[in-house]
Parts: sequence; C-alpha cells; structure tokens
Amino acid sequence: DADVTQTPRNRITKTGKRIMLECSQTKGHDRMYWYRQDPGLGLRLIYYSFDVKDINKGEISDGYSVSRQAQAKFSLSLESAIPNQTALYFCATSDRTLRDEQYFGPGTRLTVT
Amino acid sequence: DAKTTQPNSMESNEEEPVHLPCNHSTISGTDYIHWYRQLPSQGPEYVIHGLTSNVNNRMASLAIAEDRKSSTLILHRATLRDAAVYYCILGRGDDKIIFGKGTRLHILP
Repeated sequence: DADVTQTPRNRITKTGKRIMLECSQTKGHDRMYWYRQDPGLGLRLIYYSFDVKDINKGEISDGYSVSRQAQAKFSLSLESAIPNQTALYFCATSDRTLRDEQYFGPGTRLTVT
Repeated sequence: DAKTTQPNSMESNEEEPVHLPCNHSTISGTDYIHWYRQLPSQGPEYVIHGLTSNVNNRMASLAIAEDRKSSTLILHRATLRDAAVYYCILGRGDDKIIFGKGTRLHILP
C-alpha cells in the first residue's frame, strides 16, 4: 500500500465551484505539504503544516485554503475554482528531523473549465 | 533563496554511467544539497542528499565540489527506468524546498 495517497486522482470541475483535494499518509510524519505543478515548470509550494495546529502559507497560497484534520490527513480546498488553477497537485510528507526529505503522493490532475 | 542551475536536458546510453551537473554558486554554509527525480506520471521521488562530503546510496552517488558551489549526481549504470526529470535543490531545513525546472534525462537503448 502507498504511504501517501491522494483523492481524487483526476477531477474536472467548472469555474466557480468549490473543490476539495484530500491527502492521507501512513508514514507517521508530522509535516505535510501541498504543491502544484504546471506543464514545463517545477513544483511550487502552496501550503504546509507542521502539525494539526500549525498551518503556513507557501509561495502561491492565494485562492487556496487547507485543513489539517489529523496528523495523517491534510486537505486542500479551492473555494471558487478558476481555469488557471488547472494543474497537477501533489501532497507530500516529511519527518521533523529530515524536513527536506519529502515523500510525495501520486498527484491529482485537476482541470477547471 | 539560494538557486540552482541545471541543464534543461541530457541524453545517455543505457548501461552507461550518467553524470548530472548542478551549479549552486550562492549556496550558504548550512544548505544541504538534495536531489529528487520525477518519473513520468508520478510524484517526485527523493534520491539523495549531502552537505559537504560525497554520499552513496543504493540509487546514486552525490559528488560535491570542495567549494560546494557545484555538485554532480551520478547514476552508475543507467537503465531505461532512470528516464526522468532530475531536480537539484538546496534545503535549509525550513520546509521550503524550491523545485526548479530540473534536467530531463533521456536514456537511449
């Protein structure tokens, strides 16, 4: 079984709709991250969380919100989706002592029409 | 943030060694050098990291220049499964690792 899982794997939604992407991990890590990847570009950090009570903005947090429901679960929400949020979204986790050694999920391909 | 510079793409023949370069001339003394790779249709995968000394693991070796301004990821015997985008990243342990565009490695059979 995968250590980091993401649901859904693919989603098509319309402009203005609210959508939630979910991430679960079984690695027991306390740190979790959300990234987006656009074609031809590297990954950009949206939000990250040190634990259930600590949420931090990344470099491109506008238009997104997150919820850390438990140590193992970290959700990303698009309150009102827009077409330029069409991208591949990755969740990742890391241990507090090896913060830069991150483990990634398989990704969610989101299309906003 | 300290940046890295990598070639956009490289080619190598199957079963030969591959040397992937990375320049990081503005690296600070506390920055670790990390390498990730992203196989087609998958999330990034951690490969290796180091600070000052060369490092080896089951996947690859990392050679770090004495002045730490450059490093090289070495795949000792490339296979078709090693075709991926390889990212060289500097990390300061503050959770904000920055992914650039990486090097797309093509393996020729």
